[in-house]
Amino acid sequence: SAVISQKPSRDICQRGTSLTIQCQVDSQVTMMFWYRQQPGQSLTLIATANQGSEATYESGFVIDKFPISRPNLTFSTLTVSNMSPEDSSIYLCSVAGGPEETQYFGPGTRLLVL
Amino acid sequence: GEDVEQSLFLSVREGDSSVINCTYTDSSSTYLYWYKQEPGAGLQLLTYIFSNMDMKQDQRLTVLLNKKDKHLSLRIADTQTGDSAIYFCAGAGGTASKLTFGTGTRLQVTL
Repeated sequence: SAVISQKPSRDICQRGTSLTIQCQVDSQVTMMFWYRQQPGQSLTLIATANQGSEATYESGFVIDKFPISRPNLTFSTLTVSNMSPEDSSIYLCSVAGGPEETQYFGPGTRLLVL
Repeated sequence: GEDVEQSLFLSVREGDSSVINCTYTDSSSTYLYWYKQEPGAGLQLLTYIFSNMDMKQDQRLTVLLNKKDKHLSLRIADTQTGDSAIYFCAGAGGTASKLTFGTGTRLQVTL
């Protein structure tokens, strides 16, 4: 399975600021995804990070709020822009890897917005 | 879109078997997964099953799939305190496609 790291692991931010979360994987992968897990909730897909083209966003998520970069096959960033307390969540990246393209998750970034 | 439902809580005694259930609505889900989330941690892939299978066993874990009823279950044999966590089922329409997660089942293992 792929080894995935995320930075930062946690942060406390002030409302109105932005935070960029990095996701690094130890091997080249075709697909990378960003999910959000609100407190006590399940996971919801934010977007698919496409290498070399714009990310594909799910309903309810927009590029202005969650810009995503994917400069190569091992790295992606998610920015949470103009944060409000409602953005307090765990943000997880996942990659599809292995012969059956199963999805593996990073450790997550725990964000608290005050 | 797909809906995936799970019971919220399950309590079992150490050494007993745990059965966590999941129902889904989208019959085109071809891959069904079980993930484990321990407190303060990310998601760990436990096992998965393809829709053309009825059962998959992996050490203490047994996955059963009833396609007719769109029902998936995860059985953990000889449950240990280290199994205490939240368990999520998730479905995907194909490889490397987006996952739709269930609500999660919190498993509590008591002594």
